[in-house]
Amino acid sequence: GENVEQHPSTLSVQEGDSAVIKCTYSDSASNYFPWYKQELGKGPQLIIDIRSNVGEKKDQRIAVTLNKTAKHFSLHITETQPEDSAVYFCAANNGNAGNMLTFGGGTRLMVKP
Amino acid sequence: DVKVTQSSRYLVKRTGEKVFLECVQDMDHENMFWYRQDPGLGLRLIYFSYDVKMKEKGDIPEGYSVSREKKERFSLILESASTNQTSMYLCASSQIRGEKLFFGSGTQLSVL
Repeated sequence: GENVEQHPSTLSVQEGDSAVIKCTYSDSASNYFPWYKQELGKGPQLIIDIRSNVGEKKDQRIAVTLNKTAKHFSLHITETQPEDSAVYFCAANNGNAGNMLTFGGGTRLMVKP
Repeated sequence: DVKVTQSSRYLVKRTGEKVFLECVQDMDHENMFWYRQDPGLGLRLIYFSYDVKMKEKGDIPEGYSVSREKKERFSLILESASTNQTSMYLCASSQIRGEKLFFGSGTQLSVL
């Protein structure tokens, strides 16, 4: 089945700096890669997603890049703000088994004011 | 505002008890999911359902069962709770299987 690894597990940045979270996946049939943000006391919320026919997608301060050959994808947050502090999860779908999502282990991002 | 509502935020149970975790969604979604969240392990899929009375095992179904009698409600059942089932449980729903999941706020279950 699919295996998704996420790094780093914790990330601390100064407000205004950029943050990058990286994920690798194992299933070459995966074609959908979402990112979720989980704030304290809440469930994860979808913030951006990308399909395998696209190499990059942006939405204001966040962007996701995908390298299908290397089987890795990354989340980039620019001009970080304290409200970006949260746990971020990457995921990849299992293209050969019902399209279920496999999640990475999560990254705790702390933005220091 | 769309919602996935989990019945309890915190739950404390004893080993061997039967535990019911309830989830209701108001978006008329076909698909519903139960995940377990543990530090460093991310979210792991326990069971999912793509239609009323239909269910499929996820990656870690052992020790759990589910029930979906109505489209909007998906219940997770721990037949005989054990300490290794202490965890955060998250319910989710989606219109397209595996895409754009909406999550509830979670139930933190402690089994003593």
